[in-house]
Amino acid sequence: DQQVKQNSPSLSVQEGRISILNCDYTNSMFDYFLWYKKYPAEGPTFLISISSIKDKNEDGRFTVFLNKSAKHLSLHIVPSQPGDSAVYFCAAQTNTGNQFYFGTGTSLTVIP
Amino acid sequence: GAVVSQHPSWVICKSGTSVKIECRSLDFQATTMFWYRQFPKQSLMLMATSNEGSKATYEQGVEKDKFLINHASLTLSTLTVTSAHPEDSSFYICSGLADTDTQYFGPGTRLTVL
Repeated sequence: DQQVKQNSPSLSVQEGRISILNCDYTNSMFDYFLWYKKYPAEGPTFLISISSIKDKNEDGRFTVFLNKSAKHLSLHIVPSQPGDSAVYFCAAQTNTGNQFYFGTGTSLTVIP
Repeated sequence: GAVVSQHPSWVICKSGTSVKIECRSLDFQATTMFWYRQFPKQSLMLMATSNEGSKATYEQGVEKDKFLINHASLTLSTLTVTSAHPEDSSFYICSGLADTDTQYFGPGTRLTVL
């Protein structure tokens, strides 16, 4: 069964607005979470990560929020740009760091 | 929900030996499977695209004779690292493409070559 879920397969946002991508997980042993961005025919590119000891991590226009009690994380992109249009995957690891668990991705379209 | 498994999850081998990694789609048929290698800073490099019943398409710079890919059925693809060397040590991840166009990733295989 999918231990990491992205329930929105797609999202459209106007340029300049905020994009919010959501991810839910079921395994309470996960303690490290990552977001990847993927363009067609390429491998996923690492974007930002967060450890379970934090509830927020910010890097430029990208901020990841972690709500451990809800087993939920989200990626905020603000302001959104057309170049942000891609598929975004969230992933989780346990503290052994030996395996990744990916969500199924959310396709973001930023409309100019 | 669809799940992709990889076996083994962790393998240690001696330099010069070959290692086979299996990627299975457990409750869906994956006509197309992808193989990735994780690089520093955690990004995944697409190595090859394999389609069931045909030869894999390798990305530029990936040696097809070193990384043998076989996609013999709609639920199984294998990656064989031949004559492995320490520089091949990495994390290898596969993914399967369902007919809904959703991509499901496997949990990865950590290869350590001594």
